[in-house]
Amino acid sequence: SQKIEQNSEALNIQEGKTATLTCNYTNYSPAYLQWYRQDPGRGPVFLLLIRENEKEKRKERLKVTFDTTLKQSLFHITASQPADSATYLCALARYGGSQGNLIFGKGTKLSVKP
Amino acid sequence: DTGVSQNPRHKITKRGQNVTFRCDPISEHNRLYWYRQTLGQGPEFLTYFQNEAQLEKSRLLSDRFSAERPKGSFSTLEIQRTEQGDSAMYLCASSPPTATEAFFGQGTRLTVV
Repeated sequence: SQKIEQNSEALNIQEGKTATLTCNYTNYSPAYLQWYRQDPGRGPVFLLLIRENEKEKRKERLKVTFDTTLKQSLFHITASQPADSATYLCALARYGGSQGNLIFGKGTKLSVKP
Repeated sequence: DTGVSQNPRHKITKRGQNVTFRCDPISEHNRLYWYRQTLGQGPEFLTYFQNEAQLEKSRLLSDRFSAERPKGSFSTLEIQRTEQGDSAMYLCASSPPTATEAFFGQGTRLTVV
């Protein structure tokens, strides 16, 4: 069955540094992969989507890469700020399902210390 | 219309009782999804509506769970004979026809005691 894994439950970094989060998947070749941010007690908020034919996508201080050979996506936050502290989830569409039938990883909880 | 709205935000119920949650999607979003999230886990897909038609249901959705979306607008998720294992955050999301990303509501946190 399809699996999606985020290999760090928690990541602590210093303000100003670059945070790098990893998402790995197995048993599937998704057409695209998505990243969401979730704050405590709130629903996830969509950040970025990267398609299989895109190597890299950027949005302000965020950068996502997608390596379909390694079956891995990396999510980077440059010049991190305490306000970036949250849980970051990666997700891909379930094979054979609708576009909204997403499989989510467990998330990586990022803490940015001032 | 500022986003997906879910009510109530919190619900505490006794085991065996029935509960119903409501989701109002972003207007003009024809696709609506329900997810469940437990502590330390990512959201798990439950069911999907396109307009008023329920097109997908997860095996997680036991026969105690039922969802409706009359007239393709708001949706309700009902859980009958609640069990302690049903305690979770229930998330609703919607998408417009051409988008791939989901817009989530704030969720309804259910506690079964």
